[in-house]
Amino acid sequence: GEDVEQSLFLSVREGDSSVINCTYTDSSSTYLYWYKQEPGAGLQLLTYIFSNMDMKQDQRLTVLLNKKDKHLSLRIADTQTGDSAIYFCAEGWQANNLFFGTGTRLTVIP
Amino acid sequence: NAGVTQTPKFRVLKTGQSMTLLCAQDMNHEYMYWYRQDPGMGLRLIHYSVGEGTTAKGEVPDGYNVSRLKKQNFLLGLESAAPSQTSVYFCASSTYKSSYEQYFGPGTRLTVT
Repeated sequence: GEDVEQSLFLSVREGDSSVINCTYTDSSSTYLYWYKQEPGAGLQLLTYIFSNMDMKQDQRLTVLLNKKDKHLSLRIADTQTGDSAIYFCAEGWQANNLFFGTGTRLTVIP
Repeated sequence: NAGVTQTPKFRVLKTGQSMTLLCAQDMNHEYMYWYRQDPGMGLRLIHYSVGEGTTAKGEVPDGYNVSRLKKQNFLLGLESAAPSQTSVYFCASSTYKSSYEQYFGPGTRLTVT
């Protein structure tokens, strides 16, 4: 299967911006997703981008895609304590063929 | 509207025992999925269903069986549990039009000793 990699941990101070990074290997057209998992809960889809796009912005969230390097990032502006969670990057064209990264645990320090 | 619910939340099994995990959704979604989440790894798809009465294998189906007798329910069975099946199991559902937008349940933590 395809490979999706993320760093495991990130700590930021409240009010700062967070940048969570992901790399993937799929060379074909695909969708790329960011999910959030809060403690004791399932994954929640935050946003997604098609692989022919460079950027997508949704309120405090900005997704940047470097197609050449197959590098995806999620920027959270004005990070709040409620943003503390595990963030998963995933890629796939079909729902039955999604490949997930290991998740990045974001800790927001008050 | 409860979304996606899973039963039980926690379970400990001995090797060789069997059990069934229940997933229920009240959103009238056509598609349902079972994933497992292991430390240091992303979610991996076990089985999925695109409609009542139909199921299909995902990436890691061995040792599991599923059934979808009703649209709202998706059952995951372990006939003879093994320690390698110790994991957190997530159920998800989606519409067929937006199958990439999956709604997840809270998970079931299963330990096999």
